Formats: sequence, C-alpha cells, structure tokens
Amino acid sequence: DAGITQSPRHKVTETGTPVTLRCHQTENHRYMYWYRQDPGHGLRLIHYSYGVKDTDKGEVSDGYSVSRSKTEDFLLTLESATSSQTSVYFCATGQGTEKLFFGSGTQLSVL
Amino acid sequence: QQQVKQSPQSLIVQKGGISIINCAYENTAFDYFPWYQQFPGKGPALLIAIRPDVSEKKEGRFTISFNKSAKQFSLHIMDSQPGDSATYFCAASGGGSFQKLVFGTGTRLLVSP
Repeated sequence: DAGITQSPRHKVTETGTPVTLRCHQTENHRYMYWYRQDPGHGLRLIHYSYGVKDTDKGEVSDGYSVSRSKTEDFLLTLESATSSQTSVYFCATGQGTEKLFFGSGTQLSVL
Repeated sequence: QQQVKQSPQSLIVQKGGISIINCAYENTAFDYFPWYQQFPGKGPALLIAIRPDVSEKKEGRFTISFNKSAKQFSLHIMDSQPGDSATYFCAASGGGSFQKLVFGTGTRLLVSP
C-alpha cells in the first residue's frame, strides 16, 4: 500500500462524540486525500491537502475537518459524529492526481 | 450529482469470458481517465488509465476503450479469471488549477470458475 498507514482500522463510536482518523505516509507525497466509500456512491472526496497546512474541501466536507502539520500525517476529524458518517474511510496520497495510492481503510460505525 | 456514471452495478462472468464495464461523463474538461481495482478489505489500486488523445489502451488482458464524441469510456477484461473478481471504479479528472479525481459508483465483478 505504498507506505500508507491508516489508524485505527476499525472504530465504533456513539453519536455526538468526536472522532479522529489518522493517515501516515512514508512516500513523501505532496498530496493527501480523504475519501469515504459507501454502497451506491463509490468514493467521494471529503478533504484534501496540497502541502503542509494547505487543505481544501472536497464534495462531501460538511461535518469533517482536517489538519496537516507534517508532510507525512493527515488527520480527519469528525467533530460530532452522526450515524450518516458511518462509512469506510480511505486515505490516499500522490504527487498529483495521476496515480493515487490508497491505504487499507478505516471502518467507522457511529451508533 | 454524479459526474461520472458507471454501469453495471454488478456483473457475473464465466471464467474465460469478457467483462465489460462502462462509464460516461459530462465535463468536457476531463482529460485523464483511470480505472481502479479494489479487492475486499483493501484500498483501490490503479489498474490502467487513458488520455483522450488515444481511443484505446491495452495492458495485458485489460483494455480501455475511449469515445470522446460520446463522452464514454469502458474497461474490457479479456479471458476473465476468478482472480479478477473485485470492485472496479472508473474515474476522471481535468480542468481547473487542481485536478481532483471524481470516481464512479463502482462495479462488483464476480468471475465464476
């Protein structure tokens, strides 16, 4: 998986609690992305980063925030988790969009 | 609003057969069209990609056919094998100062022995 580690791999949480997912890469890729995967929707971009402290919104960013304080780490935070945020979350990295490398995903369940 | 429409949602093909997955797009600024393959429990991985300056690209048993005028592209898997059973995503990017990838909804392929 091109040196991409997502943690945790599985998480169960309750509605209204904050949740932080972590993505760590060893490839020194400039761009990092957070996607969510849901049946019938494919992969949808939540947020992305084009450098340290440089981030922007994707198509489904409501309820999510991100931070990137180091090249290798990209954090996704759900400030107050809702059941609609139950999903599989994937981190991806790349030097651009021409070839993305994905992590193995985090299965998040919000009860 | 789905910028890249993918069909079918699922597909069953016998071993040795041809698997065909189709995608259509609306944004004429798109200029890069990759296909990603995803096995259960894993993240997607780039399989093959094409740009609109060619109508076809082949890598082994995998071929992308591209029809610019129809704004459609498809993935053909020749001599399909059980090991090809996976979910396939088409995607597109292009235009603007930063080219974000937009994915289709995915096709679950099952190749029966």
